[in-house]
Amino acid sequence: NAGVTQTPKFRILKIGQSMTLQCTQDMNHNYMYWYRQDPGMGLKLIYYSVGAGITDKGEVPNGYNVSRSTTEDFPLRLELAAPSQTSVYFCASSWRSGNEQFFGPGTRLTVL
Amino acid sequence: QKEVEQDPGPLSVPEGAIVSLNCTYSNSAFQYFMWYRQYSRKGPELLMYTYSSGNKEDGRFTAQVDKSSKYISLFIRDSQPSDSATYLCAMGSEYGNKLVFGAGTILRVKS
Repeated sequence: NAGVTQTPKFRILKIGQSMTLQCTQDMNHNYMYWYRQDPGMGLKLIYYSVGAGITDKGEVPNGYNVSRSTTEDFPLRLELAAPSQTSVYFCASSWRSGNEQFFGPGTRLTVL
Repeated sequence: QKEVEQDPGPLSVPEGAIVSLNCTYSNSAFQYFMWYRQYSRKGPELLMYTYSSGNKEDGRFTAQVDKSSKYISLFIRDSQPSDSATYLCAMGSEYGNKLVFGAGTILRVKS
């Protein structure tokens, strides 16, 4: 039981490039979330999903896209990367709303 | 006003001290209260989960919820250098789809 896994661990992008951050969970959780965490700041919700085929925006969705075709996977797509997207990205999952969320190890992204 | 307020610290204490970490919130619909611990360059891990008001103890950790004052606390007894981390509070409700996190308090326990 691996929990929540994220790839890659680190990535450097040039301005304008695109990439997909991968997130997979093996706990059969319905809910999945993407957060970004900037130095000294808390977690900001980018997008979340309450089940396969259903996604919704969080508080900072601009510049990102998501899809949820399976229960296990919730990839986050960055189109036209900008320096403001330099951050650490965490994926999380939970069984249902209000339950504890389990986090992945994070992806550290730098956009230069 | 933020939905959840948490003092960012840093809080520096000597080994063996009792540590008190706190969060206040404004949304009376919150029913689930959590504390996460995050070591440097790692993902947050769940430390304590409580539902409704009252205390919950787990080893050296005690979580306290006072819904009437909209105030939650995490107490760490006999603090150890290995407790040095950022502690985030988080809250959720039955009808919301997401948790609201505090900004996190940096704790440093000196040996």
